[in-house]
This record gives sequence, C-alpha cells and structure tokens, in this order.
Amino acid sequence: SYELTQPLSVSVALGQTARITCGADDIGDKNVHWYQQKPGQAPVLVIFRDNNRPSEIPDRFSGSNSGYTATLTISRAQAGDEADYYCHVWDSNSGDVFGTGTKVTVL
Amino acid sequence: EVQLVESGGGLVKPGGSLRVSCAASGIAFRNAWMNWVRQAPGKGLEWVGRIKTKADGGTIDYAAPVKGRFTISRDDSKNTLYLQMNSLKSEDTAVYYCSIVGAVTGKLGNWGPGTLVIVSS
Repeated sequence: SYELTQPLSVSVALGQTARITCGADDIGDKNVHWYQQKPGQAPVLVIFRDNNRPSEIPDRFSGSNSGYTATLTISRAQAGDEADYYCHVWDSNSGDVFGTGTKVTVL
Repeated sequence: EVQLVESGGGLVKPGGSLRVSCAASGIAFRNAWMNWVRQAPGKGLEWVGRIKTKADGGTIDYAAPVKGRFTISRDDSKNTLYLQMNSLKSEDTAVYYCSIVGAVTGKLGNWGPGTLVIVSS
C-alpha cells in the first residue's frame, strides 16, 4: 500500500518559516493536497494540487512537490498556525492516502 | 455557502450496526463526488471510502479495513450521503467526516464537523 511519511513535529519561532515534508515513492508524479486541523475541528484545505491556495488561505502558505518529497511552507509563522498538518494524495491502488501528520508548534 | 452536516453517531456494541448520514446544502449534490474519512481518538486521518456521481457511473471504492463491512450510498433527491457500518469493531471508534471530492483535482475542499462513533461493550 502507498504510504506518506511526515515528521512527527516541527517547531518554528514566531515570524519565521516552517517547512513540513511529505515523502513517498514518486510523489512528484501525483497531486498533493495539504490540510490544517486544529484541536476539536474538522480539517481545512490549505494547499491543493501541489502549490495552489484556496482564496481564503493567506499567501503565507505555499507548497512544492518534486521527486520523492512534497513540502508545505508556512512563512512569517503566527500563533494561529499551530495545528496538525496532513498531506494527501490519490493512489490508484490504495485510494485516498493521508500522511502521518505533523504537529506544528510556534515558539 | 456549502454546508455538510453529519449525524447518526453514537455508542454501539461490538458486532453491531450503525448508519451515519451527511446532509449537504449549497451545492448541486448530484454533481459531487463524496468521501468518508475517519479519525480515531488522538490519531491521524484515515480514508474510509468514496462514491462518484451517477453521471460518472456511481463507482464506490472502499479502504481495505472496512471493505465488506461498510456500505456507502447516496440519495440525490435528499442531498444526503450515507455510511452503513456493520460488524463494527472497537477499532472503528472514530469521528467520521464527510467531504466533497474535487473530481479533477482530488482535493477535499469542504468537510463537515464530523460525528463520533464509539464501539464498546
């Protein structure tokens, strides 16, 4: 089955840049989406198709995808960015696959 | 405004059955591919299954852990998605979310707040 590997946690200083990786075989050939989930809430789409932002998401959020790694970048991190972040792809054999999730802490 | 609202969660004994629903508004539901995703307490997101539109053949796909036990269906006249869960196990305990699937991109752009299913004796 297809698996997406994320770091368990990422810490970032207030106002600095956080990068969250999502690794898998040939992930660069797939559309990668990213979700933010705060405690007790449903996930919210923050990046779709590698590097596209929904209109309501600030441009501090960006994405990239190449080779074996997709990356979500949060620039000028704010306290409100503290959350769990999940990557997501569709695989023809496994269906919808979610990453293991990364907890982002803003210091 | 697009709105999804799940309902029907609750406490059920191992081996029992439960049906949860997802009511949609603000969209042309018959044109929407729909997903069920679950999240066990303190765990990550796990895909449950997907149903396409009737126009796209109504294909339904399931994740391996639920295949043969869970059934996804839709009633386009009621703008409602269903998840029938049979032979429930303790490991099915989770919050169950419905979401709209972007047919071209595969993104899950809208989610409901979820409904909690607890499988325990």
